[in-house]
Amino acid sequence: DAKTTQPTSMDCAEGRAANLPCNHSTISGNEYVYWYRQIHSQGPQYIIHGLKNNETNEMASLIITEDRKSSTLILPHATLRDTAVYYCIAQGDEYGNKLVFGAGTILRVKS
Amino acid sequence: GAVVSQHPSWVICKSGTSVKIECRSLDFQATTMFWYRQFPKQSLMLMATSNEGSKATYEQGVEKDKFLINHASLTLSTLTVTSAHPEDSSFYICSASSDRNEKLFFGSGTQLSVL
Repeated sequence: DAKTTQPTSMDCAEGRAANLPCNHSTISGNEYVYWYRQIHSQGPQYIIHGLKNNETNEMASLIITEDRKSSTLILPHATLRDTAVYYCIAQGDEYGNKLVFGAGTILRVKS
Repeated sequence: GAVVSQHPSWVICKSGTSVKIECRSLDFQATTMFWYRQFPKQSLMLMATSNEGSKATYEQGVEKDKFLINHASLTLSTLTVTSAHPEDSSFYICSASSDRNEKLFFGSGTQLSVL
């Protein structure tokens, strides 16, 4: 699995967009980029995933650079409920859906 | 989205006893489930892959005789922490999906405290 690097923590003002970066410079061609988040004392929650193209769903947008060496998760209008640890995971389909979590980014949304 | 139910949410037990944690996929069949452990202020650590009808696959460093995994049906996997000790106190989380190419859904976790 490709190793991912994320900032340890970030702050964001409520109502503003939260942009969470992730570096995955060793990602291989068949590895997807997944984003999950974990609110305190709960199980992780799926947010979004992508391979090459940018993706958007009701929760967030995922922007993947053309060389696929980095990506950004965008929460368009952060709320206090978005305060959580956000995990970026690069995973190939040869592993099925087994996910290996890194340290993640602690996002604090402040009013 | 799909729902994964985990029970109990928290459990306190005496040292030396065994504790069973259940993980159920409520609205889909899961041929594979995964078990994670998380210590305070740390990330999730994958413990094992639970395969329906066959033996679980354990990650390096995880004692298979200590953490017994049973996946008897397509909707249920259990993790039994045998002869629990205080160092086994942790947050245990299961996950499942309907297909190896589908995203994982996670249970709400079980906080185990061993006295």
